[in-house]
Amino acid sequence: QIQLVQSGAEVKKPGASVKVSCKASGYTFTTFGITWVRQAPGQGLEWMGWISAYNGNSNYAQKLQDRVTMTTDTSTNTAYMELRSLRSDDTAVYYCARVNGAVSAANYWGQGTLVTVSS
Amino acid sequence: EIVLTQSPGTLSLSPGERATLSCRASQSVGSYLAWYQQKPGQAPRLLIYGASGRAPGIPDRFSGSGSGTDFTLTIDRLEPEDFAVYYCQQYGSSPPDFGPGTKVDIK
Repeated sequence: QIQLVQSGAEVKKPGASVKVSCKASGYTFTTFGITWVRQAPGQGLEWMGWISAYNGNSNYAQKLQDRVTMTTDTSTNTAYMELRSLRSDDTAVYYCARVNGAVSAANYWGQGTLVTVSS
Repeated sequence: EIVLTQSPGTLSLSPGERATLSCRASQSVGSYLAWYQQKPGQAPRLLIYGASGRAPGIPDRFSGSGSGTDFTLTIDRLEPEDFAVYYCQQYGSSPPDFGPGTKVDIK
């Protein structure tokens, strides 16, 4: 069955970086893309960006594009999201999800990774 | 950027009743509209794509309609497990943003 399994919770200090992983299984990794969505405590869903697992093309939300990098490792079927210069308002659950393309609905989701930014 | 507005913010209903949720886009997204259900502590789950297509495994009491700027998610005969937050997402253009959500809670 199709699964996306994310790395565990992280606690970071302001100004630090975090890298969240998302390991895919049950499908041909390079046929689809991965999108990242975050959700601050008690808030709605925020689209962060997308990366093609086929060719590495990516597209980031404008407000994050200076601080975020999304990558994939096709040898391990794993996607990564790195967020730099962390601030307290980056505290959120970060989700990866499988998508057909850059602008697409997400039909399979990871379990989420809580990133807490606190001094 | 296309802005999505969802109404109502909260919908209080009893099991067995029908829920009607609205999502309005600031400009046309064609039929590129998805609906998700999210329960506390869980990842979102895709319910509807292409405005009216049910995702695999989704019960037929969930239905979507609309095109352009006005969309509706209808849940016939609410079951206890349907009480959750529902988000719409447009994917007609980038960024594929989400609406603010509608909470369906038990009356």
